[in-house]
Amino acid sequence: QQQVKQSPQSLIVQKGGISIINCAYENTAFDYFPWYQQFPGKGPALLIAIRPDVSEKKEGRFTISFNKSAKQFSLHIMDSQPGDSATYFCASKVGGTYKYIFGTGTRLKVLA
Amino acid sequence: GAVVSQHPSWVICKSGTSVKIECRSLDFQATTMFWYRQFPKQSLMLMATSNEGSKATYEQGVEKDKFLINHASLTLSTLTVTSAHPEDSSFYICSAWGQGNEKLFFGSGTQLSVL
Repeated sequence: QQQVKQSPQSLIVQKGGISIINCAYENTAFDYFPWYQQFPGKGPALLIAIRPDVSEKKEGRFTISFNKSAKQFSLHIMDSQPGDSATYFCASKVGGTYKYIFGTGTRLKVLA
Repeated sequence: GAVVSQHPSWVICKSGTSVKIECRSLDFQATTMFWYRQFPKQSLMLMATSNEGSKATYEQGVEKDKFLINHASLTLSTLTVTSAHPEDSSFYICSAWGQGNEKLFFGSGTQLSVL
């Protein structure tokens, strides 16, 4: 029940295309849903986050779509660039705690 | 965003020695810090939660005597890998939770290689 399932495991997108990464959860006690970007040999960096009372949040080329009834949320990267090539992790915070549950990660490669 | 500094970035040590990794919150006070371990091409595995002024809370399966955590101030937590062995080789990442802020910020990670 604490799991966060992330898909796809890897993704290849052409430059200028849209990258879409999906996550699904079961625990309704999650109350905060961030996305992290990680480059090789570096720690994850917070990209964008959303609360369950909002269905969509957009920051620049990055958009989170949140479907509370389906317990799913997704990251959309518009106009994908080679510099976006990295591993992306979704996460869910357990309400009332400091604990984050991370997805398994998606390795994105954007072709020039 | 808040800055979390982790040091060293990489360390190579001989089997049987101990290694200390530092995690500092540079521009905010972190009452709670977290230590993760990450294997190549895998997700982050939470090892322990470090609370300022109290004992760390370890996740199931993590040896507390092997991975010593100290959080002596609101800006510093340390992870000491004691009597390191090759199987302890991994990427260790700390993160910090700012007061009144539910955002989690990560350090840059430490690649530990035990020979």
